[in-house]
Amino acid sequence: EVQLVESGGGLIQPGGSLRLSCAASGFTVSSNYMSWVRQAPGKGLEWVSVIYSGGSTYYADSVKGRFTISRDNSKNTLYLQMNSLRAEDTAVYYCASGGSYYPELFYWGQGTLVTVSS
Amino acid sequence: QSALTQPPSVSGSPGQSVTISCTGTSSDVGSYNRVSWYQQPPGTAPKLMIYEVSNRPSGVPDRFSGSKSGNTASLTISGLQAEDEADYYCSSYTSSSTFDVVFGGGTKLTVL
Repeated sequence: EVQLVESGGGLIQPGGSLRLSCAASGFTVSSNYMSWVRQAPGKGLEWVSVIYSGGSTYYADSVKGRFTISRDNSKNTLYLQMNSLRAEDTAVYYCASGGSYYPELFYWGQGTLVTVSS
Repeated sequence: QSALTQPPSVSGSPGQSVTISCTGTSSDVGSYNRVSWYQQPPGTAPKLMIYEVSNRPSGVPDRFSGSKSGNTASLTISGLQAEDEADYYCSSYTSSSTFDVVFGGGTKLTVL
């Protein structure tokens, strides 16, 4: 059974940095398309970033230059490094994957809340 | 990037059918059969219900079906049940932005 478990969320001041982690079990992060999707309070879903199995990375315009997606194959874990955080980055961040499919998202984590506020 | 257009809300009584539309452009829904639908009950993570326009993942009831005509995709839920009450989001592959996937704004389904 595939499981994705996010961690690392919390309260952070504007301009600060945070790193989210997504530990996977039941499949191999490095062999699949892995994404971060966020949802601001009371709002819809927004695709943040994706890393392909080959290592290519892509970002939404709203986070480009500030966020970095990466993975640690030895830990089977996906990361999202978030720098220069803004109030509008406040959201629940989900780790998600389609396995070998993209852009379909068959597997989702439970989400981790990031709150950017002074 | 521009979101796909969904109605903010739809409603139906138990046993009835409802259809949720998802309107895009010739750069996304109209050109690619990579339309997905997600169900999100309150306080939970989204769940994939339909992929590649009309395919159901294992475990999704056949009451859920998807289709596409031109630039508009649709999700139909037949035999509505109380447990179907949730937010529904469509997504599509797109060639019109620097990021190749776009979501719809979401539709709240109320079971009366």
